[in-house]
Amino acid sequence: GENVEQHPSTLSVQEGDSAVIKCTYSDSASNYFPWYKQELGKGPQLIIDIRSNVGEKKDQRIAVTLNKTAKHFSLHITETQPEDSAVYFCAAAPYGGATNKLIFGTGTLLAVQP
Amino acid sequence: GAGVSQSPRYKVAKRGQDVALRCDPISGHVSLFWYQQALGQGPEFLTYFQNEAQLDKSGLPSDRFFAERPEGSVSTLKIQRTQQEDSAVYLCASSLGIGGEAFFGQGTRLTVV
Repeated sequence: GENVEQHPSTLSVQEGDSAVIKCTYSDSASNYFPWYKQELGKGPQLIIDIRSNVGEKKDQRIAVTLNKTAKHFSLHITETQPEDSAVYFCAAAPYGGATNKLIFGTGTLLAVQP
Repeated sequence: GAGVSQSPRYKVAKRGQDVALRCDPISGHVSLFWYQQALGQGPEFLTYFQNEAQLDKSGLPSDRFFAERPEGSVSTLKIQRTQQEDSAVYLCASSLGIGGEAFFGQGTRLTVV
């Protein structure tokens, strides 16, 4: 089955700096890669996603890149703000195949220092 | 409703008790998922419904765990004879169709004492 690894587990940056979180996956059938932000006491919230027919996607300060050959994808947050502080999870799913479930990474705790 | 609603938000159960966790998905959402999130970990898949059909229950950790969605809307996750290792946040998510964006509820934090 699918296995998703995520690094780093913690990341501390100064306000205004960029943050990069990286994930690798194992199942070449995976074709959907969302990123979720989870604040304390809340459920995960989708912030951006990418499908395997696209190499890069950007939404304001957030971008995701996908390298399907190497089976890795990354989240880039530019001009970080204190409100970006949260736990971020990557996930992978083989949508359209035999299963419809998301496999999550172990999370990255991002702390943006003002 | 505006989002996925889960109840209760918090549940404390004595070891051996049965519990039932409820999920109200976004109206019209076909797909519904249950995930278990241990402290400091990512959510782990438990089970998946498409309308009322439970298409994947490969993540349920034991036969003490049972989920249903009888009318294709509200879902209940039942845990029988709770054990301490069942302590976790149980998350419900729904999506409009197959392969669509999954919206998560706030979760139910279960503590077994």
